[in-house]
Amino acid sequence: AQSVTQPDIHITVSEGASLELRCNYSYGATPYLFWYVQSPGQGLQLLLKYFSGDTLVQGIKGFEAEFKRSQSSFNLRKPSVHWSDAAEYFCAVGFTGGGNKLTFGTGTQLKVEL
Amino acid sequence: DTAVSQTPKYLVTQMGNDKSIKCEQNLGHDTMYWYKQDSKKFLKIMFSYNNKELIINETVPNRFSPKSPDKAHLNLHINSLELGDSAVYFCASSQGQNPNQPQHFGDGTRLSIL
Repeated sequence: AQSVTQPDIHITVSEGASLELRCNYSYGATPYLFWYVQSPGQGLQLLLKYFSGDTLVQGIKGFEAEFKRSQSSFNLRKPSVHWSDAAEYFCAVGFTGGGNKLTFGTGTQLKVEL
Repeated sequence: DTAVSQTPKYLVTQMGNDKSIKCEQNLGHDTMYWYKQDSKKFLKIMFSYNNKELIINETVPNRFSPKSPDKAHLNLHINSLELGDSAVYFCASSQGQNPNQPQHFGDGTRLSIL
C-alpha cells in the first residue's frame, strides 16, 4: 500500500529565509504527487502537482517542488518565505486504479518569525 | 461563488445524537469525497461518489452513511454520535476518478461531541 511521510512536524523559519519541506512516499509505480496548504480554519488549497515530465514543478504563491525518483521524494521549496505562508502543509499521493483516493502525510506546521 | 461549500461550519452536539453535514459543489465535477481530519491533523478518506455511485468506502463504522442525491451534492449522516467522532470533516470534489484530476476542498465542518 502507498504511504507518505513528512518527517518534520514543525518548522520555524524567519521571514525572507528559504524554505524546504520534506516529503517521502512509498509506492511501486510512478505516483501522482501533490502539495496542499491549509490555513487556520480553512480547507486545503492545492499548491502544485506532479504527474510526469519535468521533475521540477512550479506552483502558486511562489512555491516549487522537485520529484526525485531515486530518493522517493517530492520536497517543497520556496526561496523567500512571507509571514502569510504560516500554515499547515500536506503532501499527498494518488495512484492509478485507486479511484482518485489520496493518501496524505501527517503534515508539517510552518511558523514564520518576523 | 464558493466552489465547494459545506454546512454547517460548526456543529456541537451531545453523544448519542444523529446529525447530518451537507456539501455542495458548483464546479461541475462528477466525483465527490468525504475526508476526516482528526485532532492531530491527520487526513483520511472516508467515502467517494462518482455520478451518485459509491466508489470508495474505507473502513468506516456503519453509523456513517453518505448520500448523493445528484452529482453536485454529497451529504453525510452520522447516527449515534460518539466522542471519537469529534473531528473536522472535509468535503472535496474532482472531475473524474483519474488521480491527475486535483481535488478541491471545502472549508470543513468542525464537529464537537459533548
